[in-house]
Amino acid sequence: DAKTTQPTSMDCAEGRAANLPCNHSTISGNEYVYWYRQIHSQGPQYIIHGLKNNETNEMASLIITEDRKSSTLILPHATLRDTAVYYCIVRGFSGSARQLTFGSGTQLTVLP
Amino acid sequence: DAGITQSPRHKVTETGTPVTLRCHQTENHRYMYWYRQDPGHGLRLIHYSYGVKDTDKGEVSDGYSVSRSKTEDFLLTLESATSSQTSVYFCAISVGLAEYEQYFGPGTRLTVT
Repeated sequence: DAKTTQPTSMDCAEGRAANLPCNHSTISGNEYVYWYRQIHSQGPQYIIHGLKNNETNEMASLIITEDRKSSTLILPHATLRDTAVYYCIVRGFSGSARQLTFGSGTQLTVLP
Repeated sequence: DAGITQSPRHKVTETGTPVTLRCHQTENHRYMYWYRQDPGHGLRLIHYSYGVKDTDKGEVSDGYSVSRSKTEDFLLTLESATSSQTSVYFCAISVGLAEYEQYFGPGTRLTVT
């Protein structure tokens, strides 16, 4: 699986968009980009995933660069409840194993 | 929460005692996982299962065993608990296309004294 690099921490003002970057320069053609978050003391929560095209759901948008070497998770209107550690994970669909490898993630703090 | 429950939610036990943690799902998913989370290490995979009686080791499997005798239950056993196994344990299931989206349980906080 490709390795990812994320900033250790970021702040965002409440109501503003939070843009969380992830670098995955060694990603291969069949690997997807996944985003999860973990609010303090809770289990990780799936947010979104994508392969090439930008994706949007009720929680967030995922923007993947054309060369697929980096991506950005966008929370359009951050609230205090979005304060969490955000994990960017790259994973292929080959083989039988389905486990995910979580790195250190980005601690996002939404400020009032 | 995708119908995942973990029991117990909190447990304090003594070194050398056996401990079994239970993960229960209500939606008949094939893949189930046990992770542990410690400060400075993030989430690490202990064992996973891809069907009844089909299990495999993860990154940190030493000192742990698992069993899955029916689809809905995945048990994690510490045969002889040690202080290094003090941690928060999360169970997860896979859902979605190709089963790569994972949904996690609420966690079990285990303290080994």
